[in-house]
Amino acid sequence: AQSVTQLDSQVPVFEEAPVELRCNYSSSVSVYLFWYVQYPNQGLQLLLKYLSGSTLVKGINGFEAEFNKSQTSFHLRKPSVHISDTAEYFCAVSGRSNYQLIWGAGTKLIIKP
Amino acid sequence: EAQVTQNPRYLITVTGKKLTVTCSQNMNHEYMSWYRQDPGLGLRQIYYSMNVEVTDKGDVPEGYKVSRKEKRNFPLILESPSPNQTSLYFCASTLSGMSSYEQYFGPGTRLTVT
Repeated sequence: AQSVTQLDSQVPVFEEAPVELRCNYSSSVSVYLFWYVQYPNQGLQLLLKYLSGSTLVKGINGFEAEFNKSQTSFHLRKPSVHISDTAEYFCAVSGRSNYQLIWGAGTKLIIKP
Repeated sequence: EAQVTQNPRYLITVTGKKLTVTCSQNMNHEYMSWYRQDPGLGLRQIYYSMNVEVTDKGDVPEGYKVSRKEKRNFPLILESPSPNQTSLYFCASTLSGMSSYEQYFGPGTRLTVT
């Protein structure tokens, strides 16, 4: 079984500053890892995913994430945030041989002008 | 435009009054799923369907029913809604049940049961 912990429920950051949203997972098997974004009053959309290969994954809107197997982490980063990045970000994990995604509780990114 | 649609977007109802939330996708996806989103709990899967006439329980199926008579539609039925089913509901679809594929989400249905 897998589980996901998003360490911060809210992250306030000034516009144009860098940001890191933290995600840790636990699993006894190899996993796929995902970050989804939910803009206000919308459904979720995929930001990026790690399936295999390079541990640094680049996604849409300038976001990237690094898979760290030894620390069982998949933290999301952006070097310079904009007001349009205001959203809730969800980390999710699945085992490679099952179909179900396990979701973190979400992190709200709050951009301060 | 490829999309998942849900109706209604907002619904206020009373305890015990049966309701259906519709979900439709135009991408010919095999796999469809319903989630509920509650503050601090993330998304929890209610039911999923691997294909037409194939449905199975997710993590929180109690109080819900689904059906999959056509590939594009996957309605969520609450036979006797209760206040603890007040939540934000999302339908999602993906090409296949393999978790490596991207899930496409509808815009959500905010349900309030009084």
